[in-house]
Amino acid sequence: SQTIHQWPATLVQPVGSPLSLECTVEGTSNPNLYWYRQAAGRGLQLLFYSVGIGQISSEVPQNLSASRPQDRQFILSSKKLLLSDSGFYLCAWRRQGQASQPQHFGDGTRLSIL
Amino acid sequence: SQKIEQNSEALNIQEGKTATLTCNYTNYSPAYLQWYRQDPGRGPVFLLLIRENEKEKRKERLKVTFDTTLKQSLFHITASQPADSATYLCALSGGSYIPTFGRGTSLIVHP
Repeated sequence: SQTIHQWPATLVQPVGSPLSLECTVEGTSNPNLYWYRQAAGRGLQLLFYSVGIGQISSEVPQNLSASRPQDRQFILSSKKLLLSDSGFYLCAWRRQGQASQPQHFGDGTRLSIL
Repeated sequence: SQKIEQNSEALNIQEGKTATLTCNYTNYSPAYLQWYRQDPGRGPVFLLLIRENEKEKRKERLKVTFDTTLKQSLFHITASQPADSATYLCALSGGSYIPTFGRGTSLIVHP
């Protein structure tokens, strides 16, 4: 069966510090991968998605970047965090090429910027 | 632009009753509509998917309807239990791999 792992679960960082959140998927190959941010009481905001290694599409201009160095690894980064980067970050995967397939989410990272 | 509306107010019901949540959309012709459950501090979990040519889908105590004329989906939980308390998200998708999510409705089932 497929599993998705995100870490860390919680993170407290000072303004201006760098960020690296990691997400890995097991049990499937060539998945579509997604990074979302969810603010309190708000919907899921799509940040980045990837359909293959090295292929990243950005949905919202921001202080963040994403990379996919391996088929089942998706990394969210920032060189200098802003207060507005606080939030709940979710990684998700979906089977390639099947629009009817649902997304499967990790348990998220709660990021607090001080 | 595409818009999905879910009731922002929490739905409070008594245990044993049927909970009905609504998802309305505009400027969209989705091929698929999905419902997810999200518990506090956790990622959403997929529950059900219904296609545009399906009127109704059931899974155990869950039932989803999809009315493309009204541009609305209803999500029902029969014989609700306190363990059903969570936020429920609807998501629409067409032919692409990027679904659009609603903000979710919080369901609180009182014992």
